[in-house]
Amino acid sequence: DAGVIQSPRHEVTEMGQEVTLRCKPISGHDYLFWYRQTMMRGLELLIYFNNNVPIDDSGMPEDRFSAKMPNASFSTLKIQPSEPRDSAVYFCASKTGSNQPQHFGDGTRLSIL
Amino acid sequence: AQSVTQLDSQVPVFEEAPVELRCNYSSSVSVYLFWYVQYPNQGLQLLLKYLSGSTLVKGINGFEAEFNKSQTSFHLRKPSVHISDTAEYFCAVSDDGNKLVFGAGTILRVKS
Repeated sequence: DAGVIQSPRHEVTEMGQEVTLRCKPISGHDYLFWYRQTMMRGLELLIYFNNNVPIDDSGMPEDRFSAKMPNASFSTLKIQPSEPRDSAVYFCASKTGSNQPQHFGDGTRLSIL
Repeated sequence: AQSVTQLDSQVPVFEEAPVELRCNYSSSVSVYLFWYVQYPNQGLQLLLKYLSGSTLVKGINGFEAEFNKSQTSFHLRKPSVHISDTAEYFCAVSDDGNKLVFGAGTILRVKS
């Protein structure tokens, strides 16, 4: 079975540019999560969806960040405008049902110059 | 809010020796507990989970963990480690079954 697929794997861009990260969850999974991993703050939950509806976005750092899930097989995390402090590894994870473990993608390593 | 403490940032150990990685969480009525492993440049892979029932949980790659409610701990153990176990290990806790709070991680370095 295909796992969670994230693209791109690496992104390098200049500050001020718009960045779009993409995620395809495991088929049949109805929960989708976006995390950010940095050395300073570790793994932080940004937002999660259930059945394509955002449930908790309290971890989204600023209005520059937005996430959408237009259908069950696709989600985006957008940063506009990007800043150097947004540099991190962004992970997408999905799961089926409450209390079940999350399955992680390989992440997108984002560098903002 | 829930919090997770992984007491050791790095644990060096010789190959074939036993290892214990410690995890404590803040108290809650009920929690769901997980251990994940992260190899370089990869995502997190589930090692094991505690949802309910037996407090001793067995996972993949010979790892096990014990849920101790009175001590609010969920320590990870392996009786004999291999070089391939070198990775970063994360303990995670959930109060509601959905939102995960992660510890800071413990880097396990297995030496030959």
